[in-house]
Amino acid sequence: KNQVEQSPQSLIILEGKNCTLQCNYTVSPFSNLRWYKQDTGRGPVSLTIMTFSENTKSNGRYTATLDADTKQSSLHITASQLSDSASYICVVSATSGTYKYIFGTGTRLKVLA
Amino acid sequence: EAQVTQNPRYLITVTGKKLTVTCSQNMNHEYMSWYRQDPGLGLRQIYYSMNVEVTDKGDVPEGYKVSRKEKRNFPLILESPSPNQTSLYFCASSLRTSGWDEQFFGPGTRLTVL
Repeated sequence: KNQVEQSPQSLIILEGKNCTLQCNYTVSPFSNLRWYKQDTGRGPVSLTIMTFSENTKSNGRYTATLDADTKQSSLHITASQLSDSASYICVVSATSGTYKYIFGTGTRLKVLA
Repeated sequence: EAQVTQNPRYLITVTGKKLTVTCSQNMNHEYMSWYRQDPGLGLRQIYYSMNVEVTDKGDVPEGYKVSRKEKRNFPLILESPSPNQTSLYFCASSLRTSGWDEQFFGPGTRLTVL
């Protein structure tokens, strides 16, 4: 069964600190993995996308890593800001004729001043 | 401005009263999709459309209908809403159905069925 699991479910950090969010997946056949940021009451917005041949992809203070062998990805946030408070969703695309998106349940991050 | 719009943003209705949630995109995207988001379950796909007059079921299509008569519009229809359809609904679109194209999400519609 195709599945995407994220941890932790929620996280609270102080402004300026770094944090790492985890995503484990069992999706086949794997096409790509994308991280989304979802502000409260808004739709998700894409941060990064990676395929199995890419290990690291950055977008400003956001750095995603992918280990296709262990089927794990992480999203590292550097020097967190209050505006980073949001849910972060890992989405894996599978391709088998047509593309299928499998969504994780997200990690809710709260950054405190 | 390139965007996906949804209306209404908030809706409270009663069981059995037919309703339509509209979705429109101005990016000439081929692919459009509807999702529902429930606490602890993440986003689940209801229906998707790969182009005009081409629609298909997602993971949770029961109780919903869609149509794609024009490229820009993809309405979600609840013929007889029930309380278990209370949820946050998102429409999304992408340029193609390659899986590589970023999905752009609308602002969401919070539906409550009493």
